[in-house]
Amino acid sequence: VHLVESGGGLVKPGGSLRLSCVASGFTFSDYSMNWVRQTPGGGLEWIAHISDNSHYIYYLDSVKGRFTISRDYAKNSLLLQMNSLGIEDTGIYYCVRGVVSFGVKFDTWGQGTLVTVSS
Amino acid sequence: AIQMTQSPSSLSASVGDRITITCRASQHIKNYLGWYQQGPGKAPKLLIYATSILERGVPSRFSGSGSGIDFTLTISSLQPEDFATYYCLQDYDYPRTFGQGTRVEVK
Repeated sequence: VHLVESGGGLVKPGGSLRLSCVASGFTFSDYSMNWVRQTPGGGLEWIAHISDNSHYIYYLDSVKGRFTISRDYAKNSLLLQMNSLGIEDTGIYYCVRGVVSFGVKFDTWGQGTLVTVSS
Repeated sequence: AIQMTQSPSSLSASVGDRITITCRASQHIKNYLGWYQQGPGKAPKLLIYATSILERGVPSRFSGSGSGIDFTLTISSLQPEDFATYYCLQDYDYPRTFGQGTRVEVK
């Protein structure tokens, strides 16, 4: 089971970025997926969730209307389109698999991709 | 949003020590709580889910307990590889929320 993120980089405030996460080693369409970011201060912040069939999508309030989570089943990929980026969006972005088991456990994490928003 | 208050923010301990980290939810979350370990420069790793269920492959020196609002992660005998940062995460409701983290350092 493997998740590999890409697409991070340096972007100016107000800019956009598109993150990708390629999944392998499991049936991608059977699992919900999430994006979690780690802030420069070290804290973890859940950003967005998408269900296995893409029918249920949830966002952190501070990214609602700016970020869009989606799935490309043909490419076994999780995507995060980020628009109107602010300095507060700087961080390491992790792609995370969610498994339903007496609740939901985040059992697999990618290595993360760094997003830096700076002028 | 449910707030998760984790304590302490850091602690110093020695190999072989028993340590306890607590997490308090701002409302009842039944047993929908997990614990994650993050080593320096690494992605977080799942240790415990549903308050007390050990993820496969996680050593039995890790244990979790609690219910409702108050939760605890215990390491019965600290090993060198356990010096890391630990986070709790509630999966009762959206938005999912993490505790602020507890950094376990060498005394």
